[in-house]
Amino acid sequence: DAVMTQSPLSLPVTLGQPASISCRSTQSLEHSGNTYLNWYHQRPGQSPRRLIYKVSNRDSGVPDRFSGSGSGTDFTLKISRVEAEDVGVYYCMQGTHYPYTFGQGTKLEIK
Amino acid sequence: EVQLVESGGGLVQPGGSLRLSCAASGFSFSNYWMHWVRQAPGTGLVWVSRINGDGSTTTHADSVKGRFTISRDNAKNTLYLQVNSLRTEDTAVYYCTRGSTTVWGGFDPWGQGTLVTVSS
Repeated sequence: DAVMTQSPLSLPVTLGQPASISCRSTQSLEHSGNTYLNWYHQRPGQSPRRLIYKVSNRDSGVPDRFSGSGSGTDFTLKISRVEAEDVGVYYCMQGTHYPYTFGQGTKLEIK
Repeated sequence: EVQLVESGGGLVQPGGSLRLSCAASGFSFSNYWMHWVRQAPGTGLVWVSRINGDGSTTTHADSVKGRFTISRDNAKNTLYLQVNSLRTEDTAVYYCTRGSTTVWGGFDPWGQGTLVTVSS
């Protein structure tokens, strides 16, 4: 299985400051010219919502303060200026290899 | 608007069974892979099962293989998960989620989830 490892697992951030989450896979996520690395946000008591697909593509309605980057096995989600609504848990997920696997989650909280 | 609405969860004794349903609307259901993902209380997300658009191909995680069965009714735009021989460790919120038109990709959107509690 492709094991996804996120860091940090806890991320206290001051409002208006940037935040960054790292995600590493034990296997390359490239397949036929595509890299199926997704980022999800889950607010307390809610379902996950996808923010980013194929490393760097924002889903519809996702604010442009969210950006994704990386390649191969190393990926990053960045929030340029954290807002109060960004609290919750962020997960990376790979959709290249069976079985699909998620990172452990990074809990973002406001300082 | 793309929408997924799960139902069928509840409290069941160890060894029991349930049938989870997911009603889909707002998209061409038969064109997409569909998946079930679960989340045990206070923990992360775990992929459980997948099914292709016409229902001819299904796959289950090793932890549920032989006990869970995914299926779909494209005429009713509904996804199912038959869960048998339930164990306490199967206690989780079960989410229905849409994949892509191919086996690769991600999941979007997600339903609100249905809670399965396995306890005596």
